[in-house]
Amino acid sequence: EVQILESGGGLVQPGGSLRLSCAASGFTFSSYAMNWVRQAPGKGLEWVSSVSGSGGTTHYADSVKGRFTISRDNPNNRVYLQMNSLRAEDTGIYYCAKRTYGSGWFDHWGQGNRVTVSS
Amino acid sequence: DIQMTQSPSTLSASVGDRVTITCRASQNIGNSLAWYQQKPGKPPQLLIYKASSLESGVPSRFSGVGSGTEFTLTISSLQPDDFATFYCQQYNIYSGTFGQGTKVEIK
Repeated sequence: EVQILESGGGLVQPGGSLRLSCAASGFTFSSYAMNWVRQAPGKGLEWVSSVSGSGGTTHYADSVKGRFTISRDNPNNRVYLQMNSLRAEDTGIYYCAKRTYGSGWFDHWGQGNRVTVSS
Repeated sequence: DIQMTQSPSTLSASVGDRVTITCRASQNIGNSLAWYQQKPGKPPQLLIYKASSLESGVPSRFSGVGSGTEFTLTISSLQPDDFATFYCQQYNIYSGTFGQGTKVEIK
């Protein structure tokens, strides 16, 4: 059974940093791209970032480019999102999601982790 | 960047109604489109992939059609468990852009 669990969220001041972690199990982790998707309070879903199975290719939404860094630790089945220069508009629930093989749809999601950027 | 536009934003319907949600892409995406259902406080759940393929375990009252730039999700007979927000998503090697969502409310 595929399981995905996010951690590391919390309250941070504007301009601060936070690192989210995503632990995955139940599949051959290094074979699949992983993604972060966020949802601001009362708003829709926003794709944030993706990392290939090997970790060698990453992509970012324009809204976070230059501030966020995605990475993965394949031996330990983890994905990370390092978030720097945080802004109030980065507040929301952050979901970790597994892609199907290749550049496909997101077939499994974690329960989400809350990030609040406020003074 | 590819933009996804859903309509309507909100839909009021009754149990048993046939419901259709439309999603338009700003450029040709072939059949690289998925539909998700999200209930309050929960993560999204995959309903449809490749525009028209039903995810395992999803009731057959859900169906998707379309290709290129225009897609639809249809619920043939709305059930009480279906009141939720639905999102379309285009996926490619670079990103996975979502539409703004369609909330299906009880009429």
